Order: sequence, then C-alpha cells, then structure tokens
Amino acid sequence: QVQLVQSGAEVKKPGASVKVSCKASGYTLTSFDITWVRQATGQGLEWMGWMNPNSGNTDYAQKFQGRVTMTRNTSINTAYMELSSLRSDDTAMYYCARGRQGVRLWGQGTLVTVSS
Amino acid sequence: DIQMTQSPSTLSASVGDRVTITCRASQSISSWLAWYQQKPGKAPKLLIYKASSLESGVPSRFSGSGSGTEFTLTISSLQPDDFATYFCQQYNSYWTFGQGTKVEIK
Repeated sequence: QVQLVQSGAEVKKPGASVKVSCKASGYTLTSFDITWVRQATGQGLEWMGWMNPNSGNTDYAQKFQGRVTMTRNTSINTAYMELSSLRSDDTAMYYCARGRQGVRLWGQGTLVTVSS
Repeated sequence: DIQMTQSPSTLSASVGDRVTITCRASQSISSWLAWYQQKPGKAPKLLIYKASSLESGVPSRFSGSGSGTEFTLTISSLQPDDFATYFCQQYNSYWTFGQGTKVEIK
C-alpha cells in the first residue's frame, strides 16, 4: 500500500528543536518530491517548503528560512523536517505530502505542541 | 508572494443544495489550482487539480472552473458526507492556500 507514515506527537519547550519523520512505503522516496505543510488548530494550511529526495535540494518558505531543515535517508525511505528555536505559535499539525502540485498522498500528520 | 482569497469563510446549506465556493488569486496563476476537502483530524483530500480536472474516485457532483485569477468549486447537490472544510491551493509559484470555507448543516 502506497502511504506516508509520520512519527508520533511531540511536546517541546520554547527554544527547543523538533524533528519529524515521514516514511514512504509502497514506492521509492526518491521518485517524488516531499513537501511539508503545517496547520495550527482551527486555522488554514501553510506551506513550509519542499525537498527533492533524489538530489537533496531544498526550497524553504521565506518565513522559515534559517529555522527549518529538510533532509532524507534514502536507505530507509524516510524524509525529515527539523524546526528549531520553537515558539508557542509553532504549535500545529505538521504534514508531509508527496509532490509539488495537486497532492494525492499525505501523511497522517504529526502534532507538535510547544509549551513551557 | 501570491495571495489566495477564498469566500465565503462559512456556508450554511442543506442536503441537495447547490454550493459554490470562490477563490481569487492576487495575480494570474493560469490553471495551477487545486481544491481540497478536509475533515476534522484528517489530512486534506484532493478533489480537483489543474482548476477543473476531477481527481480519480471523487464524485462527479464536484466540479471546478476558472483560470487566471478567478476560480470556483461547485458541489451540484450537497450530500451528508460533504459537510467539511474546503481549501483552494495555488501551485503556480510555490504554494499558497485559501483561508478555507466551512460547509455547515443549515
């Protein structure tokens, strides 16, 4: 079955970092770009950036430049998104998605809560 | 950055109603627009891509139209499963989403 499976919920303190994983199954990670999107509770969707898992090339939203890092481990078919210097307004559901256009395949989401 | 303005933010309707949601782009995005449905606690589900192409498996009561800066999602006859939040997304230049339209039971 083709799917993206994300890591579990995280609780972090302000100033810490979080690393969310996104494991591709049923297809080879390097075949499609991986995009990261987040959604605060009751709010809209916000594009964070994307990565070409084949080359490792990334493109980040200006808002997250300097705080976000997208990487991958092709040997285990997994992509990662790390967000640093966390603030309370980073509390959100984080999604990985396959592709850069109309997206058919999404991860189930990872809730990241930032609280002191 | 391309801004997407979606309206209305909330829509109250009954089963069987025809429903229309509009999305306006701050500059031309050709037909590089998708529509998604999202239910609480779930990831978005692709309904329409390239402004008017129906995603496989999506009921034909959903349709999309428009190009350039003005786009519309229409549900021809609202069904109980359609009560959800809908988002437009431009992918002409990076991604931007509309603010969402919550379709509620009247």
